[in-house]
Amino acid sequence: GIQVEQSPPDLILQEGANSTLRCNFSDSVNNLQWFHQNPWGQLINLFYIPSGTKQNGRLSATTVATERYSLLYISSSQTTDSGVYFCAVGVAGQNFVFGPGTRLSVLP
Amino acid sequence: GAVVSQHPSRVICKSGTSVKIECRSLDFQATTMFWYRQFPKKSLMLMATSNEGSKATYEQGVEKDKFLINHASLTLSTLTVTSAHPEDSSFYICSAKVGHYNSPLHFGNGTRLTVT
Repeated sequence: GIQVEQSPPDLILQEGANSTLRCNFSDSVNNLQWFHQNPWGQLINLFYIPSGTKQNGRLSATTVATERYSLLYISSSQTTDSGVYFCAVGVAGQNFVFGPGTRLSVLP
Repeated sequence: GAVVSQHPSRVICKSGTSVKIECRSLDFQATTMFWYRQFPKKSLMLMATSNEGSKATYEQGVEKDKFLINHASLTLSTLTVTSAHPEDSSFYICSAKVGHYNSPLHFGNGTRLTVT
């Protein structure tokens, strides 16, 4: 099955800093999503981005499907950005596979 | 749009009892729903895929008699943890898709189960 890696596993930032999170996957995919899990366990859908680039406020994401990676950019980080960021990938008709996550802590 | 409601958010039960968790798609019809389990500081592990009107498909290693899944309508799937034991304590999350293939997952807020 598809293998998903995320880096870095842990990240500590000062408020206001920028960061880039990476998701590598081992095979071609038709589906890719980025999620933020907040400290209460809620999974927030950030981007559905099987290819291309999207932006939403301070967040943006780029997926280069041919090279099997996706990047999530967080600019001007805030303490509310803390939590775990997961990418999940899938092939059409099959289930999503989650990466191990990047645990982000933004310090005031 | 695409709101998924999961209930209860937190439940404590005694060993040997059963617990039912509901997952509802509020503003769309979900042909397929998924149930995940998450251990502390770990990623999400898919337990089973629930299709409306048919038996659920369980992942390898998941006991189907322990984790009963029913998807009786296009907006409701339930997970029943039968004869719960302390090792079943975990965070359970459901998700649903709009459409079949290339479409995003939408998650409920999860249920934290504690078995005493």
